Amino acid sequence: GAGVSQSPRYKVAKRGQDVALRCDPISGHVSLFWYQQALGQGPEFLTYFQNEAQLDKSGLPSDRFFAERPEGSVSTLKIQRTQQEDSAVYLCASSSHRQGGSPLHFGNGTRLTVT
Amino acid sequence: SQQGEEDPQALSIQEGENATMNCSYKTSINNLQWYRQNSGRGLVHLILIRSNEREKHSGRLRVTLDTSKKSSSLLITASRAADTASYFCATHPWTSGSRLTFGEGTQLTVNP
Repeated sequence: GAGVSQSPRYKVAKRGQDVALRCDPISGHVSLFWYQQALGQGPEFLTYFQNEAQLDKSGLPSDRFFAERPEGSVSTLKIQRTQQEDSAVYLCASSSHRQGGSPLHFGNGTRLTVT
Repeated sequence: SQQGEEDPQALSIQEGENATMNCSYKTSINNLQWYRQNSGRGLVHLILIRSNEREKHSGRLRVTLDTSKKSSSLLITASRAADTASYFCATHPWTSGSRLTFGEGTQLTVNP
């Protein structure tokens, strides 16, 4: 496809379950970002990949959050032992540029609800 | 943590009117960007203005940047109902590496 694709679109998890969220960036985009967006708020940075290298994971809120991009294309954000405060929309974005601060192309997000 | 603060939080206008949204930020930046988000969708990049630029235009959009006041404004002229969305400013601070830091957004409603 032409844009960033995220799946699933919606995910409901019981507290304590593990979840995996997938992101397919635009083909050839070297930079990939994950953001978390709470209801009514702006996106908050989670982590950044350049190709397969995770260069910045300072925004991950706890060690229950883990992201990978093993072949430098598709990325997975995994949340272990989900908590209610993890409920949010998780946005993936990609960019063709290596340098920071470039315009980002966002997917439509995965809305995670933890019950 | 949010670097930018948008003002107002919500804005309701009639079709054809102009809409102005403001963004203030705290640290020195490399560039500032504006994004639009329709309900239930991802963000769409609108315009980027670099720290050495003062004004930029793109179609019905006009962005200004005042680095001395650490503020930016987004003007949408001749608004349309389809402009109804949330608008976010995002800054790229010099010290932030590659990340963009987003504000809390302005919810714009354009009434037909």
